[in-house]
This record gives sequence, C-alpha cells and structure tokens, in this order.
Amino acid sequence: GAVVSQHPSRVICKSGTSVKIECRSLDFQATTMFWYRQFPKQSLMLMATSNEGSKATYEQGVEKDKFLINHASLTLSTLTVTSAHPEDSSFYICSADGQGLGTDTQYFGPGTRLTVL
Amino acid sequence: LAKTTQPISMDSYEGQEVNITCSHNNIATNDYITWYQQFPSQGPRFIIQGYKTKVTNEVASLFIPADRKSSTLSLPRVSLSDTAVYYCLVGSHYGNNRLAFGKGNQVVVIP
Repeated sequence: GAVVSQHPSRVICKSGTSVKIECRSLDFQATTMFWYRQFPKQSLMLMATSNEGSKATYEQGVEKDKFLINHASLTLSTLTVTSAHPEDSSFYICSADGQGLGTDTQYFGPGTRLTVL
Repeated sequence: LAKTTQPISMDSYEGQEVNITCSHNNIATNDYITWYQQFPSQGPRFIIQGYKTKVTNEVASLFIPADRKSSTLSLPRVSLSDTAVYYCLVGSHYGNNRLAFGKGNQVVVIP
C-alpha cells in the first residue's frame, strides 16, 4: 500500500516550452500533496503544498506563475513548469500525505528528471 | 518548519549495526519524527516514524529520549545495499505536515 507514482520519469525539452509532471496516489486518497525539487548532491527543497480543490501554497522564493500546480482530485496533482529554462533542470519529486491512511507519514513518488536544453 | 541536524556522513562495515543520530531542538508538541532513505535518482523511501520512546519495525528501530530533542535511527546488520542518504524530519498535520529536509546523512557501507 501507499504507492505514489510520477509521470514522466524523465523528460527533455527545449528552452521556452512548458512541461507537465503528474503525481498520483495509486491506492489511497490524498487531500494534500507536496512538490519538491532536488539539485545534484543537494537535499530536497519544498516548493509548494498542493491541496485538493483549492489553490496551492508556495514556499518563499518559488514563483507560482512559473510552477503551476493543480490538484483536481484526491489522487492526482500536476506540476507544470512554464517557459522552462536550463536553470529549471532538476529532479522533481512529489509526495502524498498519508492522512487518508491514518498516518502522519508522507509517501514519495519516484521523481521526474527534467532536463531543459 | 522545524529544522533537523545530522552528521554529514559516516562509514560502516557490512554486517555491523549502524546508529544515525539527529538533533531537532525545536520540535513541537504535535510533531512526529520520521526517517527516510534515499538512493540516487529515486524518491525518499519511508523507514520508520515515532513520537516518543522506542519504535521498531522489520527494518529499523527508532529511539527517542524523553525530551524528544533528538532521535537515533538504528539499522541492524547493514548490507552494501543500505548505502544511501538518510534523512530525519519532524512535522505534523497541525503544521499541514510540511517537512523541511536537512542535508541528511550519507551512510556508506564498506565490504
């Protein structure tokens, strides 16, 4: 149980294009999902909190118009990197809150490697 | 977000018990302590979670003293595949469960 998937696992795009990343909780419902970014040899950095049916809450310094988050259902949150540039190249990881399973645990997806050329 | 502090790295020989410490002086009353394991280019994997005293599951034990300002993750008889970065985090639903990842502890298991 508590499986979170991400799609795609890897994406390469040209500078200026937009890229959408999906995060799904496969066997449980998640009112809250989180999006993280991780650069090489660094820790995970929380970007935003995604709440089903409401606007996402962004961490300080994260541009909400650049990183669009939609949490349309209890099992799906999407992150769209708009007008991507090479500095947006990173490993993007989502997690789903396990409250629907009665736990205080976050369950993480496998990550999406974004490379912007 | 509550901060955690861990040693940057540690080495251990295969078959030994590994104890990884974490300091969380600003832990709040409602916060749980959760440990994750991360391999390169993968998402973090849940290891164990606790609130106080001792918690044990099939892969690890978690020791939390009475003041809860620190915790120790114990991995029994490590193998080469346990080489990974280990993160401890504190958080709760009352804080919307937002987690602040520290730098983590790179554990290298040596043959």
